[in-house]
Amino acid sequence: GENVEQHPSTLSVQEGDSAVIKCTYSDSASNYFPWYKQELGKRPQLIIDIRSNVGEKKDQRIAVTLNKTAKHFSLHITETQPEDSAVYFCAATSSGGSYIPTFGRGTSLIVHP
Amino acid sequence: GAVVSQHPSWVICKSGTSVKIECRSLDFQATTMFWYRQFPKQSLMLMATSNEGSKATYEQGVEKDKFLINHASLTLSTLTVTSAHPEDSSFYICSARAGRGNYGYTFGSGTRLTVV
Repeated sequence: GENVEQHPSTLSVQEGDSAVIKCTYSDSASNYFPWYKQELGKRPQLIIDIRSNVGEKKDQRIAVTLNKTAKHFSLHITETQPEDSAVYFCAATSSGGSYIPTFGRGTSLIVHP
Repeated sequence: GAVVSQHPSWVICKSGTSVKIECRSLDFQATTMFWYRQFPKQSLMLMATSNEGSKATYEQGVEKDKFLINHASLTLSTLTVTSAHPEDSSFYICSARAGRGNYGYTFGSGTRLTVV
């Protein structure tokens, strides 16, 4: 089955800095990669996603890049703000996995004012 | 957008009792729902996949007789934790998708279960 590795587990940055979270996947058939943000005690919220036919996608301060050859994808947050502090999960899905997402272990992002 | 409602948001129960958690899709029909368990500071662990009108598919290591899942309609799935023990205390989250393929998953708000 699919295996998703996520790094780092904790990321601490100063407000205004950029933050990068990286994930690797094992199943070359995976073709959809969503990113979720989860605040403490709340539900994960989809913040951005990318499909395998695209190399990069941006939405304001958030961007995701995908390298299919290397089987890794990354989340980039620029000009971080304290409200960006949360746990971020990457996931990978494929038809071989019945489109059930496999989640990474999560990255706790802390943005210091 | 798609909304999934989950109840209760928190529950405290005594050891040996059963607890039912409901997950409802409010504005779409969910052919498939998923139940996850999340321990503090850990990732989402898939427990089972439920398809409307058929038996749930449980992940390895999840006791189907302990975690009963029912998906009787296209808008409701329930998870019943039977004979709960303190080690069952966790955050349970459901998610749903409207159709097949890589549709976006929508998560419920989660249920914090504490067994005393």
